[in-house]
Amino acid sequence: SQQGEEDPQALSIQEGENATMNCSYKTSINNLQWYRQNSGRGLVHLILIRSNEREKHSGRLRVTLDTSKKSSSLLITASRAADTASYFCATDEGNAGKSTFGDGTTLTVKP
Amino acid sequence: DTAVSQTPKYLVTQMGNDKSIKCEQNLGHDTMYWYKQDSKKFLKIMFSYNNKELIINETVPNRFSPKSPDKAHLNLHINSLELGDSAVYFCASSRDSLFYGYTFGSGTRLTVV
Repeated sequence: SQQGEEDPQALSIQEGENATMNCSYKTSINNLQWYRQNSGRGLVHLILIRSNEREKHSGRLRVTLDTSKKSSSLLITASRAADTASYFCATDEGNAGKSTFGDGTTLTVKP
Repeated sequence: DTAVSQTPKYLVTQMGNDKSIKCEQNLGHDTMYWYKQDSKKFLKIMFSYNNKELIINETVPNRFSPKSPDKAHLNLHINSLELGDSAVYFCASSRDSLFYGYTFGSGTRLTVV
């Protein structure tokens, strides 16, 4: 079964708007990561948030983590057409060094 | 200067053939992985190696055999290819101490016909 479930599955917005994606998971984690995948390309690591952190920023990205609700959100502010991609969360449960990926959210930013 | 490089990028082959995908990382990372991404973009770990030793072997058919000749290389050999093996295979690497996430290769799109 999937550890991470992402919501929504697909999101379409206009350039300049903010995009919010959510990730829920089932078990305790060491950290949670967010990745971007452009069509036909590999995944690119965006940000990692550890279980003792609540919020992290990187440029236009803001990630929150609520371990009591077992959920995380990724906010992309002032979106650009170049942000069009699939976004995945991945959870590291601390067992044997593997992370489990969510199903992904497909973001389309219209110019 | 590619951090994680895998070859080939595309692989089209007939059922029953044997094929290999190669992966190399120049980041000095200790652990390397193979992930499979299906047509619905679902990513699932297949194997991971730490300093040439197998540490994760998920429920993958015996037809898939990883080989790590050294810390910087992790190859994937697939015997007797089946239609269901068609997918995108990603190599990735990570450091051991204070995990910062994975660095992925650009993927190998395998199509079995």
